[in-house]
Amino acid sequence: GAGVSQTPSNKVTEKGKYVELRCDPISGHTALYWYRQSLGQGPEFLIYFQGTGAADDSGLPNDRFFAVRPEGSVSTLKIQRTERGDSAVYLCASSAQGGPLTGELFFGEGSRLTVL
Amino acid sequence: AQSVTQLDSHVSVSEGTPVLLRCNYSSSYSPSLFWYVQHPNKGLQLLLKYTSAATLVKGINGFEAEFKKSETSFHLTKPSAHMSDAAEYFCVVSSGGSQGNLIFGKGTKLSVKP
Repeated sequence: GAGVSQTPSNKVTEKGKYVELRCDPISGHTALYWYRQSLGQGPEFLIYFQGTGAADDSGLPNDRFFAVRPEGSVSTLKIQRTERGDSAVYLCASSAQGGPLTGELFFGEGSRLTVL
Repeated sequence: AQSVTQLDSHVSVSEGTPVLLRCNYSSSYSPSLFWYVQHPNKGLQLLLKYTSAATLVKGINGFEAEFKKSETSFHLTKPSAHMSDAAEYFCVVSSGGSQGNLIFGKGTKLSVKP
């Protein structure tokens, strides 16, 4: 499809395990964002890429969280030593231009992570 | 610091009646404001945005919102609800410090009764 694709749609893991979540943005979109949505809350910003570089990673909660976008397209969010509090829906969005003020963000359906 | 408060966690209306979803914002400067909608098992979708142009902003599916600086509000309205409007709605403000950082409210779940 032409939209933002996220895989897996659901991931169940055990506490302490390593997890990778993948985001395929809309082709040609230079900006890519990761947000996290906990139950009953609005999405919270994690990190923003412009091309291959992280323009703003101020939302990453701690050093267990890391994200890459090596070729300026697909991005992977990596979570080490998962904790039960990491359980949430992880949302990816992309935009053709610099950010939400200049271009619309298109969101994927999210990856639901459950840490047992 | 920027923030938004959605005053109702759940709103229920009958089909064909008006919709009002309330949002107040806090910002140290002139904000950019958005409303996003999230249907079950769908990605978030932009309804409309305000970026310091006209204070009455029209969006998709008949929704509109009015920026009122004196009241620090950005309420979302629609004259006549449709069953397909049932969804979660998020009021959002741009952080300003980063082009990528949107600050979401906690959401308002809209139910539409037949």
